[in-house]
Amino acid sequence: DTEVTQTPKHLVMGMTNKKSLKCEQHMGHRAMYWYKQKAKKPPELMFVYSYEKLSINESVPSRFSPECPNSSLLNLHLHALQPEDSALYLCASSPEDSSYNEQFFGPGTRLTVL
Amino acid sequence: AQKVTQAQTEISVVEKEDVTLDCVYETRDTTYYLFWYKQPPSGELVFLIRRNSFDEQNEISGRYSWNFQKSTSSFNFTITASQVVDSAVYFCALSEGGARGSYIPTFGRGTSLIVHP
Repeated sequence: DTEVTQTPKHLVMGMTNKKSLKCEQHMGHRAMYWYKQKAKKPPELMFVYSYEKLSINESVPSRFSPECPNSSLLNLHLHALQPEDSALYLCASSPEDSSYNEQFFGPGTRLTVL
Repeated sequence: AQKVTQAQTEISVVEKEDVTLDCVYETRDTTYYLFWYKQPPSGELVFLIRRNSFDEQNEISGRYSWNFQKSTSSFNFTITASQVVDSAVYFCALSEGGARGSYIPTFGRGTSLIVHP
């Protein structure tokens, strides 16, 4: 299994809703990432988990809350989002959290905040 | 600080034309890694190639080829005989050889390639 899966593919939520994005990989990778991508822009790193511990938080607002329940699973909990948070949210994994490794990306969740 | 510049925002070609996507980078590290990713309309970024700073050999994979030149800090990507399926956004990325845990990749802004039939 060489893919990263993400659910849901699309999500529409109001500013008072609580929702979660899910990401899964079964490649035995020990590093997992969340990115945010706005239209016609490159991906922006949000969080890095290494061996199930949060290693990098790129000053992301607390309305985004990551969670790594086990080495295969990564969640992103969303609460009280703003319309400007609408974007494509990409999950990625790599064998380790190192500058050498390429990343394997999921298809993303297209989030719309009303 | 590391930086990646993809000066071409959008390139439009007709099928079977050759096309080169430019990537220029800046880094102070002597050890670093360069990547190319493809993002088709479906949204998923697909890894194409990695090159480390000590390996300046050019690489060819089918219709794809990469030219890495440290003297000009460039890592250009050429598609020969382009096809409609090559239409996508292509990102060049750089990561520096820092200590484990300090890796944060820098992406260029991407080049949108449109291949017309």
